Amino acid sequence: DSGVTQTPKHLITATGQRVTLRCSPRSGDLSVYWYQQSLDQGLQFLIQYYNGEERAKGNILERFSAQQFPDLHSELNLSSLELGDSALYFCASSVGLPNTGELFFGEGSRLTVL
Amino acid sequence: GQSLEQPSEVTAVEGAIVQINCTYQTSGFYGLSWYQQHDGGAPTFLSYNALDGLEETGRFSSFLSRSDSYGYLLLQELQMKDSASYFCAVGGYQKVTFGTGTKLQVIP
Repeated sequence: DSGVTQTPKHLITATGQRVTLRCSPRSGDLSVYWYQQSLDQGLQFLIQYYNGEERAKGNILERFSAQQFPDLHSELNLSSLELGDSALYFCASSVGLPNTGELFFGEGSRLTVL
Repeated sequence: GQSLEQPSEVTAVEGAIVQINCTYQTSGFYGLSWYQQHDGGAPTFLSYNALDGLEETGRFSSFLSRSDSYGYLLLQELQMKDSASYFCAVGGYQKVTFGTGTKLQVIP
C-alpha cells in the first residue's frame, strides 16, 4: 500500500459525459501528479501540483482540468468524453518537487467510455 | 522537452541476468528512476540515480552515465514474479517523465 488513495477504482460512462477522479496523496506529501495510461502504453504525464499550485503541464487536453485543494487532495475533471479517453488514470505523490525521483502511485482509476 | 527510449520487450530465463537500457534527452535533469509495473497494477519505485555510477538494491541494480545520457536496470537471479513492465523515468525540476516501458517476460 503506497498510501495514495484514488477513487473511484472503476468508472464506466458514455461519450459526451463528464467525470471527476479523486486522489488523496500520502500524508505529508505536497506534490500530486496525474498520469494517463492507455492500453499497453506508457505513462503520459498530464499535470502536476505542488502545495495547491499548478507547477507543470504535460499533454493534457483542454477538455481536462485539475486542481489541488487546501487539504492537498486533488481532482481530475474529464469532460466531453470520447472513446479515446478510455484509460487508466494514475495519481502519484511525492514529498516535495520531484528531484528525488521517487513517486508513490495510487492503484489508479480505470475509465471506460462507451 | 524530454524523451526516453527503452526496448519494448525483453525475454529472459529464470535465474539469469537481464539488462534493460534507457537513453534520454532532457533539460533540467535531476536523475533517472526505475519503476516496475505488473499488469493492471500501480507502478512501484525501484531505484534512483542522481550521480554517475551503480546503485545496488538487492537483486536489482541501476546505473547512470550523465555524460552519455544513458542508464540501465540490471536484474539478477530472475524470478517468475519479475515478469512485468519496467519504466525508466527522468526527474526534472517540475515533473517526472516516463519512458514507454519494457515488457520483461521471464520464462522457465
